[in-house]
Amino acid sequence: SQQGEEDPQALSIQEGENATMNCSYKTSINNLQWYRQNSGRGLVHLILIRSNEREKHSGRLRVTLDTSKKSSSLLITASRAADTASYFCATVHSGGSNYKLTFGKGTLLTVNP
Amino acid sequence: EPEVTQTPSHQVTQMGQEVILRCVPISNHLYFYWYRQILGQKVEFLVSFYNNEISEKSEIFDDQFSVERPDGSNFTLKIRSTKLEDSAMYFCASRPPQGNTIYFGEGSWLTVV
Repeated sequence: SQQGEEDPQALSIQEGENATMNCSYKTSINNLQWYRQNSGRGLVHLILIRSNEREKHSGRLRVTLDTSKKSSSLLITASRAADTASYFCATVHSGGSNYKLTFGKGTLLTVNP
Repeated sequence: EPEVTQTPSHQVTQMGQEVILRCVPISNHLYFYWYRQILGQKVEFLVSFYNNEISEKSEIFDDQFSVERPDGSNFTLKIRSTKLEDSAMYFCASRPPQGNTIYFGEGSWLTVV
């Protein structure tokens, strides 16, 4: 398997706090993407970080990538109840016609109002 | 904003029946995918499709599964003889020709009874 684990599996915080989720993978990547999934709904793309990037920001989201440790983290600052969802990291290991996402198991984030 | 659309949103079928799940990818995209997510589990890659042929398929995508792009807009997944373990959410996704982000539809819930 090319994909490792995400931790924690579940995270419960209060509104206004920051949430950090981690993701690890096993083999070298082309890029890493984070997705969000509300219960029973589709996957919404949040952010993409390339293998030669170390950090990326998008609004309240900050993603870091450490290719030496084969890990990434997603930080959501000033969380809101509406951020409650499952968050998945997904890695791309090959380009061209073999380009595809390999998903981790996800972190279930609950933000309590 | 353009989006991937999937029908039906939910289908219940008898074991052994054929099922066709339909998808309309984003219009200028050239790479198409099917993924599935068994309840409570991670999102798994089934198949990728480009230039009217399968680029890659997973071990899950056995002879019971097939994909087709019958016209310029639709992309279908057919399961020939459904089994109970085929019960899952099936996601269609697409990617633009020069882009790295994969965009997902809302999914089709398949329940096999």
